[in-house]
Amino acid sequence: AQSVTQLGSHVSVSEGALVLLRCNYSSSVPPYLFWYVQYPNQGLQLLLKYTSAATLVKGINGFEAEFKKSETSFHLTKPSAHMSDAAEYFCAVRDTGRRALTFGSGTRLQVQP
Amino acid sequence: DAMVIQNPRYQVTQFGKPVTLSCSQTLNHNVMYWYQQKSSQAPKLLFHYYDKDFNNEADTPDNFQSRRPNTSFCFLDIRSPGLGDAAMYLCATSLPTGDLETQYFGPGTRLLVL
Repeated sequence: AQSVTQLGSHVSVSEGALVLLRCNYSSSVPPYLFWYVQYPNQGLQLLLKYTSAATLVKGINGFEAEFKKSETSFHLTKPSAHMSDAAEYFCAVRDTGRRALTFGSGTRLQVQP
Repeated sequence: DAMVIQNPRYQVTQFGKPVTLSCSQTLNHNVMYWYQQKSSQAPKLLFHYYDKDFNNEADTPDNFQSRRPNTSFCFLDIRSPGLGDAAMYLCATSLPTGDLETQYFGPGTRLLVL
């Protein structure tokens, strides 16, 4: 089964700084990859997804992620952090032919004023 | 707006007392999922329904059951909750669209076991 690894359980940035949240997947076959955001006591909201149509994927709230097969990575970035971006971010993978999502352990983003 | 609704948002139950969590959707999606998310952990899939076809994950405890009486509703039954079952329970739905299939989540129900 596929898995994803999120490096860094906590990331802290200043408001206006670049946000970089890391995600690496385990498969040699490019899977379907997703980034979700979870605000406190809320469900998960889809930020963006990779389905092999384009390697640079743009999502909501100014986030984007780049699929790099050579590095088996799908890192999430945002050029300028906003206080409202403070949340938990989960990378997830779905195997071809399966419905289930496997989530990474999550990265909590703090944004300092 | 089309959405996934979970009620209640917070549920308190006693050790060993059966409890049912509810999920409804207005998206008319074929697939409904239940995830368990313990504190500071990733969501973990318990089971899902594709229409009326039930699919249990191999490591889901027998204590957890589910019912889907119609397309819109899905229930999670915990027969004898233990302290270790305290968690956020997330319902999600999806429409089978091949590569583009995406799961949409409800706000979750936080379960407290006393």
